[in-house]
Amino acid sequence: AQSVTQLDSHVSVSEGTPVLLRCNYSSSYSPSLFWYVQHPNKGLQLLLKYTSAATLVKGINGFEAEFKKSETSFHLTKPSAHMSDAAEYFCVVSVIGFGSSNTGKLIFGQGTTLQVKP
Amino acid sequence: NAGVMQNPRHLVRRRGQEARLRCSPMKGHSHVYWYRQLPEEGLKFMVYLQKENIIDESGMPKERFSAEFPKEGPSILRIQQVVRGDSAAYFCASSPRRGELATGELFFGEGSRLTVL
Repeated sequence: AQSVTQLDSHVSVSEGTPVLLRCNYSSSYSPSLFWYVQHPNKGLQLLLKYTSAATLVKGINGFEAEFKKSETSFHLTKPSAHMSDAAEYFCVVSVIGFGSSNTGKLIFGQGTTLQVKP
Repeated sequence: NAGVMQNPRHLVRRRGQEARLRCSPMKGHSHVYWYRQLPEEGLKFMVYLQKENIIDESGMPKERFSAEFPKEGPSILRIQQVVRGDSAAYFCASSPRRGELATGELFFGEGSRLTVL
């Protein structure tokens, strides 16, 4: 069975400082992993995805994440936070079904609220 | 190419009424998924549909909830006799094939926020 754990429910940074949002996953198979961002009262926007290609994944808005199999982690980082980055961030794993194929179901972490202070 | 369209964006119902939420997938997408987000929580899978077929409804509550995706028209999530605990954001997602097969990526709408008084 697959699962994902976001280690921090709230992260607060100052504008211009680095961002680190932590995520650990559990999967019997090589997982597909995603980070989605949700701004208040909005839908979810895909930031980046890992699908067993390069372990360092670059996404939109300067975000990137590194897949570390030995640590079962997929932490999201950004070198310099911007005020517009304040939002809810979800680490997500794709559910693998029979025959090691994607089922289309996603398992979401509990979310991390990123606060960016001026 | 328009994204996933959901309506209404906000819906208020009194206890015991019915709620109908609609979702039009992206053009060319034939797979639809419904997720529910309770306050302060992540999204939880409810149901996966293709045209005229329910593929996986393992996340749907056993009573009062139903979903359909007819040959013509949007997918509908229907909640009968709503209770306060149904208050949540309901998100629809679509993909051209089952979870994009290789990646599992889904494309989400902006959600329908149901408030039950």
